[in-house]
Amino acid sequence: SAVISQKPSRDICQRGTSLTIQCQVDSQVTMMFWYRQQPGQSLTLIATANQGSEATYESGFVIDKFPISRPNLTFSTLTVSNLSPEDSSIYLCSVEDRSGGYYEQYFGPGTRLTVT
Amino acid sequence: KQEVTQIPAALSVPEGENLVLNCSFTDSAIYNLQWFRQDPGKGLTSLLLIQSSQREQTSGRLNASLDKSSGRSTLYIAASQPGDSATYLCAVLSYNTDKLIFGTGTRLQVFP
Repeated sequence: SAVISQKPSRDICQRGTSLTIQCQVDSQVTMMFWYRQQPGQSLTLIATANQGSEATYESGFVIDKFPISRPNLTFSTLTVSNLSPEDSSIYLCSVEDRSGGYYEQYFGPGTRLTVT
Repeated sequence: KQEVTQIPAALSVPEGENLVLNCSFTDSAIYNLQWFRQDPGKGLTSLLLIQSSQREQTSGRLNASLDKSSGRSTLYIAASQPGDSATYLCAVLSYNTDKLIFGTGTRLQVFP
């Protein structure tokens, strides 16, 4: 299994500003994912972050709003830009472990963002 | 397009009851199905992973079953405790998209 940490755990930001969320994994992983969970909703995939290439974004999410970096196999950042109250959500980082043929995903503790 | 649904949306039971949470999915072309637990405002904890070739998995008081042909999974919790109170999410890893698709969740409250 993988142990994932995220920083910050929560933040309150003013509209128009940006927040960068860090995700650190305790082992090297190929695939990292960023999800958004809006209040009372289930998880929605924002993008897949692969080391050495640009992130792949899901429909409805764009790089200008959610730029992602993946400088190595244990670290990634997600920036949420030009914040509006609609961006208030929990943002979660996850990794997929494909060792042994078991495609299991592990999640970080999440970052709770409130935009005022 | 894969869709995952969970029933019931919310459940409140007294301590000690055995209970069943349901998950259904529309496309049986999956690698696996995972059950997660989420405490309020927190991340997800993986509870059980069932491969597409498996019928069930057990961990402690939890038992998850999978019937891929009918697109259904159940999570059975034995002798429920107040500490089991959380939201339970199922998710399928779909062949066609290679992405994890989440259900809508069941919010469980176990009262003393």
